[in-house]
Amino acid sequence: AQTVTQSQPEMSVQEAETVTLSCTYDTSENNYYLFWYKQPPSRQMILVIRQEAYKQQNATENRFSVNFQKAAKSFSLKISDSQLGDTAMYFCAFMNRNTGNQFYFGTGTSLTVIP
Amino acid sequence: DTEVTQTPKHLVMGMTNKKSLKCEQHMGHRAMYWYKQKAKKPPELMFVYSYEKLSINESVPSRFSPECPNSSLLNLHLHALQPEDSALYLCASSQGQGAGANVLTFGAGSRLTVL
Repeated sequence: AQTVTQSQPEMSVQEAETVTLSCTYDTSENNYYLFWYKQPPSRQMILVIRQEAYKQQNATENRFSVNFQKAAKSFSLKISDSQLGDTAMYFCAFMNRNTGNQFYFGTGTSLTVIP
Repeated sequence: DTEVTQTPKHLVMGMTNKKSLKCEQHMGHRAMYWYKQKAKKPPELMFVYSYEKLSINESVPSRFSPECPNSSLLNLHLHALQPEDSALYLCASSQGQGAGANVLTFGAGSRLTVL
């Protein structure tokens, strides 16, 4: 089974600053996807960014970027120019392409952006 | 239409009641999911339907009964629930195959309280 670990239960950041959320995972697979999902207090889970394991280039989406270290099995999320709307639970997730349709979520990091 | 719609948003039921949660998507997705989420915890997978067939049942108690009448609809029938079943129930969908197969689109959830 795959495990996803988020070691930071809570974090805070000043508005306009940069913050990095950590995620590590354990798998023996080579063909997989990694994701960061955001769940604001209104509760709808939204995809922030995804990374395909076979791609060496780190994914970026506007202010959000990842640092994907495949050998270290690390997948951190960097949020630049933090905004109040970034306040949310952030979940790291793993999906094995070979088994498909089964997503493994980390325990989450609660991020608060301070005005 | 890029949404997953869940009804009702809130549901309160007694332990002897029978109720249903409903989920609908019109994105042409062929995989649909039920997740259970407790406060400040990650979503826990319950069921996956792929091409209208139940493909994953994560050993969920029989008091939860899923149903997929067609490719756009997913129901979760509830009967004789326990207070510990109180949670947010999230529906999600994905394409089921191809490049988009790995992206989950979530609904806003149904908040269930069992008295």
